Amino acid sequence: AQKVTQAQTEISVVEKEDVTLDCVYETRDTTYYLFWYKQPPSGELVFLIRRNSFDEQNEISGRYSWNFQKSTSSFNFTITASQVVDSAVYFCALIGGGTSYGKLTFGQGTILTVHP
Amino acid sequence: GAVVSQHPSWVICKSGTSVKIECRSLDFQATTMFWYRQFPKQSLMLMATSNEGSKATYEQGVEKDKFLINHASLTLSTLTVTSAHPEDSSFYICSARAREGLAVEQFFGPGTRLTVL
Repeated sequence: AQKVTQAQTEISVVEKEDVTLDCVYETRDTTYYLFWYKQPPSGELVFLIRRNSFDEQNEISGRYSWNFQKSTSSFNFTITASQVVDSAVYFCALIGGGTSYGKLTFGQGTILTVHP
Repeated sequence: GAVVSQHPSWVICKSGTSVKIECRSLDFQATTMFWYRQFPKQSLMLMATSNEGSKATYEQGVEKDKFLINHASLTLSTLTVTSAHPEDSSFYICSARAREGLAVEQFFGPGTRLTVL
């Protein structure tokens, strides 16, 4: 069985603050993929990043960065200099192999509110 | 590329009626489509997986006779909520996996908000 845990239910920050969203996953598979999605109030999921289990390089995309650590089964997401437009629900998700291959398992989501 | 549409974007119906939601891959062929349900302030829960030309596979706890899924072509899957009741009110999201390319990539539709009165 696979599981994704986002311990932070809600985070509130003031604009320009840095914020890190935590994600911890569980899987028995050696090959797996991790994702982050953003869900703004409109409801449509926006893909942010995909990482496979063999690529532990951290990634930076503009104000977004991701820290993948297999040793702690974590895939954390940091927004630098947050903006009001970053307010949304963020989901971490996992696709493993075996019988669950192809199925996305989502974390509970973290509601991020950025105040002006 | 890789655009998935859903129709309708929202629907309000009376209790006891059936509602059909369409999911289309607009610029690619999708061998597999997934249907998710999301209740307010909750995460997405996978309801079923449908493969073109075969019966859908439902997740545990999802009534297959209530949520009818048809994946008749490589670009269209439909979800019919039969005899809808207020507890079926939710946000329904589909995703599609392309025939070509990375097998794990899923492209999401914009969702359909169902309200049953």
